[in-house]
Amino acid sequence: SQTIHQWPATLVQPVGSPLSLECTVEGTSNPNLYWYRQAAGRGLQLLFYSVGIGQISSEVPQNLSASRPQDRQFILSSKKLLLSDSGFYLCAWSISYNSPLHFGNGTRLTVT
Amino acid sequence: GENVEQHPSTLSVQEGDSAVIKCTYSDSASNYFPWYKQELGKRPQLIIDIRSNVGEKKDQRIAVTLNKTAKHFSLHITETQPEDSAVYFCAASKEDTGRRALTFGSGTRLQVQP
Repeated sequence: SQTIHQWPATLVQPVGSPLSLECTVEGTSNPNLYWYRQAAGRGLQLLFYSVGIGQISSEVPQNLSASRPQDRQFILSSKKLLLSDSGFYLCAWSISYNSPLHFGNGTRLTVT
Repeated sequence: GENVEQHPSTLSVQEGDSAVIKCTYSDSASNYFPWYKQELGKRPQLIIDIRSNVGEKKDQRIAVTLNKTAKHFSLHITETQPEDSAVYFCAASKEDTGRRALTFGSGTRLQVQP
């Protein structure tokens, strides 16, 4: 069966510090991979998605970036965090964009 | 692009009553409509989905209906229980070589009063 791992679960970082969140998927090949962000009490904002190694589509231009160095690995990064980057970050995968989306457990990021 | 609107934003019902959440979509080419449940502090989880070749789908106390002509779909929860309390998100997508991702509604916070 397929599983998705996302870490860390919680993170507290000072403004201006770098960020690296990692997500890996097991049990499937060439999945579509996604990064979402959810502000407190709000909806799901799509940040990036990838349909293959090295292919990244950005939904919202900001100080975040994403990379897919391996088929089942998706990384969210920032060189300098802003206060507004605080939120609940969710990695997700699907077989295609027209099929069920499976979310990781999320990373709760607090920028202080 | 696709736009999905979800109503109501909050819904409070008594235990045992039914709850209905409605979503409308803008792109008539959309053909996949999932619903997700997110409990406080946890990840969203798929509870039911429907494709455009089906008008209704049911799974125990949960059902989804789709009206392609009116471009809206609804989630129906019968005999609600306190554990149904959560935020529910609808979404839509289509086969497209452009944006390859679901478009989510803004969410409905359902509170089931015991």
